[in-house]
Amino acid sequence: ETGVTQTPRHLVMGMTNKKSLKCEQHLGHNAMYWYKQSAKKPLELMFVYNFKEQTENNSVPSRFSPECPNSSHLFLHLHTLQPEDSALYLCASSPGNMNTEAFFGQGTRLTVV
Amino acid sequence: GENVEQHPSTLSVQEGDSAVIKCTYSDSASNYFPWYKQELGKGPQLIIDIRSNVGEKKDQRIAVTLNKTAKHFSLHITETQPEDSAVYFCAASYYSGGYQKVTFGTGTKLQVIP
Repeated sequence: ETGVTQTPRHLVMGMTNKKSLKCEQHLGHNAMYWYKQSAKKPLELMFVYNFKEQTENNSVPSRFSPECPNSSHLFLHLHTLQPEDSALYLCASSPGNMNTEAFFGQGTRLTVV
Repeated sequence: GENVEQHPSTLSVQEGDSAVIKCTYSDSASNYFPWYKQELGKGPQLIIDIRSNVGEKKDQRIAVTLNKTAKHFSLHITETQPEDSAVYFCAASYYSGGYQKVTFGTGTKLQVIP
């Protein structure tokens, strides 16, 4: 248990659905991240929030919409996704210190049908 | 931007043998190199890390080496056990804007054969 909790663990959604992924950490970390993990690809950074402010958006399509209401919670709102968006979505958090690791959640396995 | 290459993509070893995974990075600004282990159905978890002011670090059966000049770093697992079977990711990172900017390798699937 890393202290980063993601829900749901599994999600199947149609291309016209709207759903949200949730991430929660009570480690006192100020940075939170969304990563996409697809088969045979490196972990792809999607978004970074630092003290609730979005500091990085790696050219992610607008059908993915992040929200960070406070430093402990991070959401990823999904709408009109494509089958190629099926992947494991990982949330991570890290302290604001230099040279410290990220703590990952278990991920949400998303399947778009 | 940073580019991290990791080899091999798959590795099978007999229980008790050693396993070595190698990574290279491109951005000389990177100064922190964590290694993560990801078991099936779980998120990656840190197993060892090394900072750029250190050439080698060891933690029981796991060791990591760093060659800053060549921009190479490696993970060494000795006396492998079946529970070491997992996917291992290297990463290169630097601190900017109040958080770590991390670039991951593509992963190595390690299988330890009993």
